[in-house]
Amino acid sequence: LAKTTQPISMDSYEGQEVNITCSHNNIATNDYITWYQQFPSQGPRFIIQGYKTKVTNEVASLFIPADRKSSTLSLPRVSLSDTAVYYCLVLLLNAGKSTFGDGTTLTVKP
Amino acid sequence: NAGVTQTPKFRVLKTGQSMTLLCAQDMNHEYMYWYRQDPGMGLRLIHYSVGEGTTAKGEVPDGYNVSRLKKQNFLLGLESAAPSQTSVYFCASSYSASGGYEQYFGPGTRLTVT
Repeated sequence: LAKTTQPISMDSYEGQEVNITCSHNNIATNDYITWYQQFPSQGPRFIIQGYKTKVTNEVASLFIPADRKSSTLSLPRVSLSDTAVYYCLVLLLNAGKSTFGDGTTLTVKP
Repeated sequence: NAGVTQTPKFRVLKTGQSMTLLCAQDMNHEYMYWYRQDPGMGLRLIHYSVGEGTTAKGEVPDGYNVSRLKKQNFLLGLESAAPSQTSVYFCASSYSASGGYEQYFGPGTRLTVT
């Protein structure tokens, strides 16, 4: 059964680049990798999604190696408002599971 | 365009009581999901639906039932609530589950079972 693994927590300072890695060893061929951000008392919010190689949007980049067994979310120049929990999701509906990791709590300090 | 809405926002139940949580989406999405999130933990999939009239079990389905009679609504029922079901429940919807489409989440329902 697939499981996603992320670091429990990370600290950073304003203006730095932050990279959060998620491992998903049993990802299926047709599955995409999606990252979400969650603030306290709110539902998760979509950040970025990808299948392989690199994807970039206005807020983040996503790096996925050829074997797709891991992915790295890159947040450029973080600010205090980026303090949140970040989840990677690999949706495995054929197995009756959506594998959200336990999330990485990112704390950005001034 | 309200996105995904959930009713109610908060609820306190006594052990053995029943209730239904309502999720509604106005984006014409095919897929809908119910998750639970316990304190300090990630989201776990309870049930999901790939279209009107269909439902399927997720990772933690025991103690819950669901129905998708209309495309825009996904109901989550607790027939006999237990303290272990104290959690925050999130509903989500997406166009297609198998990649390429993000899930949109509702604001959550905080349920306490005493």
